[in-house]
Amino acid sequence: QKEVEQDPGPLSVPEGAIVSLNCTYSNSAFQYFMWYRQYSRKGPELLMYTYSSGNKEDGRFTAQVDKSSKYISLFIRDSQPSDSATYLCAMKTTGGSYIPTFGRGTSLIVHP
Amino acid sequence: SAVISQKPSRDICQRGTSLTIQCQVDSQVTMMFWYRQQPGQSLTLIATANQGSEATYESGFVIDKFPISRPNLTFSTLTVSNMSPEDSSIYLCSVRPGTNTGELFFGEGSRLTVL
Repeated sequence: QKEVEQDPGPLSVPEGAIVSLNCTYSNSAFQYFMWYRQYSRKGPELLMYTYSSGNKEDGRFTAQVDKSSKYISLFIRDSQPSDSATYLCAMKTTGGSYIPTFGRGTSLIVHP
Repeated sequence: SAVISQKPSRDICQRGTSLTIQCQVDSQVTMMFWYRQQPGQSLTLIATANQGSEATYESGFVIDKFPISRPNLTFSTLTVSNMSPEDSSIYLCSVRPGTNTGELFFGEGSRLTVL
């Protein structure tokens, strides 16, 4: 079992839909949780990060962490074609390695 | 944040040759990383490039195949040596700001195709 599992998709939704992207993980020591967005032929860019459990909102994006279930989500409200990209979750522990563990990424397509 | 420039953005190479990828950062950073991204796979860390010392390689990656230079705090190179088609991938340079949250900033990547 991989440390971080993420469905690669693709996930295709109509414009305006609410999108839910998810990752599960096995390492209970993970405390920092991140979402990266990667447009085609570009490098990943940090979208959001959260520490420990709870929700964090930034505009149309909400990151949610449920440590009891080892499950994190990224919600996108009122999705736009410009949101079409690959979304990678990443997570790390508080100590030890500074390197996060990445999921495979979910390809999202928002069609007009 | 950091602005990272990578060269080349893409290249097509012949089997058995070597290619050096350059990474330039617009600010001084302690930690620079090289990743490989193969289709449908997670980002895989190749090595951590340390200024003034040898790079630290992850399991499955060796210096003879992926030699790395880090001459100063804003620049690094990754060489892919004696390439085979299995080396076809996107190679990404990344830096970590001076926090413990694990946030990384990435370059746009170098897309390598080996024939």
